[in-house]
Amino acid sequence: QVQLVQSGAEVKKPGASVKVSCKVSGYSLNELSIHWVRQAPGKGIEWMGGFDPEDVETIYAQKLQGRVTMTEDTSTDTAYMELSSLRSEDTAVYYCATLSRDRVGGTLFDYWGQGTLVTVSS
Amino acid sequence: DIQMTQSPSSLSASVGDRVTITCRASQSISKSLNWYQQKPGRAPRLLIYAASFLQSGVPSRFSGSGSGTEFTLTIDSLRPEDFATYCCQQSYSSPLTFGGGATVEIK
Repeated sequence: QVQLVQSGAEVKKPGASVKVSCKVSGYSLNELSIHWVRQAPGKGIEWMGGFDPEDVETIYAQKLQGRVTMTEDTSTDTAYMELSSLRSEDTAVYYCATLSRDRVGGTLFDYWGQGTLVTVSS
Repeated sequence: DIQMTQSPSSLSASVGDRVTITCRASQSISKSLNWYQQKPGRAPRLLIYAASFLQSGVPSRFSGSGSGTEFTLTIDSLRPEDFATYCCQQSYSSPLTFGGGATVEIK
């Protein structure tokens, strides 16, 4: 059983950066495809990016290109998401999740972290 | 990007009711559609994948159908623990996109 445990809530000023961690247990990180999504207060879920095992590269949502970096430390089975140049619109709950293949060839998010609230406020 | 639109955005129902939520894609996504349940302050939980396959451990009162651009999630005989927000997500192409959610409230 995969478990994902995220770091705690953060409060940041506009223009700052935030780095959220996602510790994996139950599996090795290199057996999983970790993705990140976020959910602004009262809004829908927005996919931010993640590891594409077919192309063996990390892919990012176009609107976040240049501001987001996703990394992994396989020695500690921890994934990280760093978002820079923060603005008030980045205030959201950030989730890590595993993207897996389903039995008919599609993909799905099956395991989720508990979420990390990032508040951007002056 | 493929836009996912859900309707209704909220509905009121009673325990024992049958509830249907619709998700429409801005272009055909075949059957590449997943449904999640989310309760306040909690991460989403996968219910249905590939439009109609029930995720392991999910009660059989949940079902999904559809293909192309129109999909439905049905909850038969609503239980108290089913009051939550339900959202759809397309896995047809990148970027992966989600619907805005449909909240099922107690009447």
